[in-house]
Amino acid sequence: DGGITQSPKYLFRKEGQNVTLSCEQNLNHDAMYWYRQDPGQGLRLIYYSQIVNDFQKGDIAEGYSVSREKKESFPLTVTSAQKNPTAFYLCASSPAGAYEQYFGPGTRLTVT
Amino acid sequence: GNSVTQMEGPVTLSEEAFLTINCTYTATGYPSLFWYVQYPGEGLQLLLKATKADDKGSNKGFEATYRKETTSFHLEKGSVQVSDSAVYFCALSTLGAGGTSYGKLTFGQGTILTVHP
Repeated sequence: DGGITQSPKYLFRKEGQNVTLSCEQNLNHDAMYWYRQDPGQGLRLIYYSQIVNDFQKGDIAEGYSVSREKKESFPLTVTSAQKNPTAFYLCASSPAGAYEQYFGPGTRLTVT
Repeated sequence: GNSVTQMEGPVTLSEEAFLTINCTYTATGYPSLFWYVQYPGEGLQLLLKATKADDKGSNKGFEATYRKETTSFHLEKGSVQVSDSAVYFCALSTLGAGGTSYGKLTFGQGTILTVHP
């Protein structure tokens, strides 16, 4: 089945630790995205990548980093510099020239 | 810049009631418009879309019409079910200059819908 997988579904970390969230897609989509969702708010774009080895900052990139070494994979690292990392993180992808995006199931990160 | 404003929730309805969730937008250029649905603890699913003025998107009994003159894309369903309980997001996307950039979505804040039996 084609789709987007994110792992793990729940992640717990201590403050001061970096943590990496996984996102893999087998849809052969060129573009991939990371969003953050907080309760009662819409989604906010963290980073996006249109092609391998290239990515751009979104609206709230501070405290986050990404890599795009393979077309299928777009991992997100939440660094200790992110002041309020507890949130629901969603990965998405889209084919070339498309307006719509397709989302994974999300990872809920809790930092204490 | 682009922005999306959705009707504030939560919205609570009885089964078989009529649903409207209002959505208005501001955008540069000619956006495509979307409704996404999020069930508890899950990611977003594309519910319907419209890519040009007067287009009507429809899926699973939900409909929305792209109204350029009122910059709106209201979501409607004639008879809701308990299984429609979820959070609904209105969103828009515009391609970059020359159509070479991939669509970046701008979301509304979401509307929680609860349907009681």
